[in-house]
Amino acid sequence: DAKTTQPTSMDCAEGRAANLPCNHSTISGNEYVYWYRQIHSQGPQYIIHGLKNNETNEMASLIITEDRKSSTLILPHATLRDTAVYYCIVNSGGSNYKLTFGKGTLLTVNP
Amino acid sequence: GAVVSQHPSWVICKSGTSVKIECRSLDFQATTMFWYRQFPKQSLMLMATSNEGSKATYEQGVEKDKFLINHASLTLSTLTVTSAHPEDSSFYICSTAGQGVHTQYFGPGTRLTVL
Repeated sequence: DAKTTQPTSMDCAEGRAANLPCNHSTISGNEYVYWYRQIHSQGPQYIIHGLKNNETNEMASLIITEDRKSSTLILPHATLRDTAVYYCIVNSGGSNYKLTFGKGTLLTVNP
Repeated sequence: GAVVSQHPSWVICKSGTSVKIECRSLDFQATTMFWYRQFPKQSLMLMATSNEGSKATYEQGVEKDKFLINHASLTLSTLTVTSAHPEDSSFYICSTAGQGVHTQYFGPGTRLTVL
């Protein structure tokens, strides 16, 4: 699976949009971009995934650049409960494909 | 998304004893389940992948005789830590996936402390 690079940490003010970047310059054509987050002492939570097109769900939006070498996860109105480590993972998808977790980005939402 | 439970949520045991952790997929037929562990301030590390009715596939460096995995049904997988030692103290997390499903859904984790 392609390697991803994320900033170690970011801060965001409550109520503002949080934009979390991820670089995946070696992504191949059949690989998806997944985002998960892990709140302290809990299991990871699936957020969103995409292949080429931008995606939006009730939690977040995923913007993937045209060359697919980078993406941005957007939390439109961050709350204190969004404080977590956010992981950007690239793989081919499907039930037998393993997720490789990097260090992720610690997002701290401040009041 | 799918709902995954783990039991127990935390356990303390003496060195040399065995501990069983259950992972249940409550509303989803999980053909594949994954087991991870996470040491403090580190990321999740995959331990093994199990497909229902088959033997688990272990990651390099994970002892299959120490970490016994059973995935006998589409809703239940168990991880047994045999002869646990203090260095096995960790946060153990399972996840589920099904045929044609792009995402994994994670359990809440089990905190194991070996004294």
